[in-house]
Amino acid sequence: IVLTQSPGTLSLSPGESATLSCRAGQTVTNNYLAWYQQKPGQAPRLIIYGASHRATGIPGRFSGSGSGTAFTLTISRLEPEDFAVYFCHQYGSSPPWTFGQGTKLEIK
Amino acid sequence: QVQLHESGPGLVKPSETLSLTCTVSGGSISSDMYYWGWIRQPPGKGPEWIVSIPSSGTTYYNPSLRHRVTVSLDTSKNQFSLKLTSLTAADTAVYYCARQEGNVVVVYAPFDFWGPGTLVTVSS
Repeated sequence: IVLTQSPGTLSLSPGESATLSCRAGQTVTNNYLAWYQQKPGQAPRLIIYGASHRATGIPGRFSGSGSGTAFTLTISRLEPEDFAVYFCHQYGSSPPWTFGQGTKLEIK
Repeated sequence: QVQLHESGPGLVKPSETLSLTCTVSGGSISSDMYYWGWIRQPPGKGPEWIVSIPSSGTTYYNPSLRHRVTVSLDTSKNQFSLKLTSLTAADTAVYYCARQEGNVVVVYAPFDFWGPGTLVTVSS
């Protein structure tokens, strides 16, 4: 399943809200869609799984929504440490499991 | 808390075989609750899943790489390994090992714990 993320780059200021989109070329089974945050030189960090469930230790300002082929990651009240690259990832029942190309969230 | 760490050569010549090992601590790779996977990320691009292996059950491969991939578990050392043959410059990437939750029938969770990654450059 091809995952297409938009926008490629999002420029916002701390305190604002961010909305990131991930569209799948086919329906994602069981809404098995995850979001990761990646900072330079680090491994991806799991933020959201099952489209809308926050991973352990993730602040409440991160929320995921969507189903089928359209998914959204929303980050409210951006903190300086939230500026990073975000990837979506589908892990539905039939491999190959795939990742999106990423959205870079940068400070305006 | 489980930790993973990749090890292997940073530079490999074209046409050669890449061998990487992932050492797991804080958890047993013999557990039937998890799959152990390899993912790579070319510079400036999104990650690409390569393979996931359980302690028992079906190993899942990315079809685009299956003919070049061998994966194995060493439960005595709590390690798992990846071999990738016939390397080209397109295989240059950061290679990660990571864990997924699942059972003997199916994977039902994303990669939750990752190693820090190791950069592999394919060049003569």
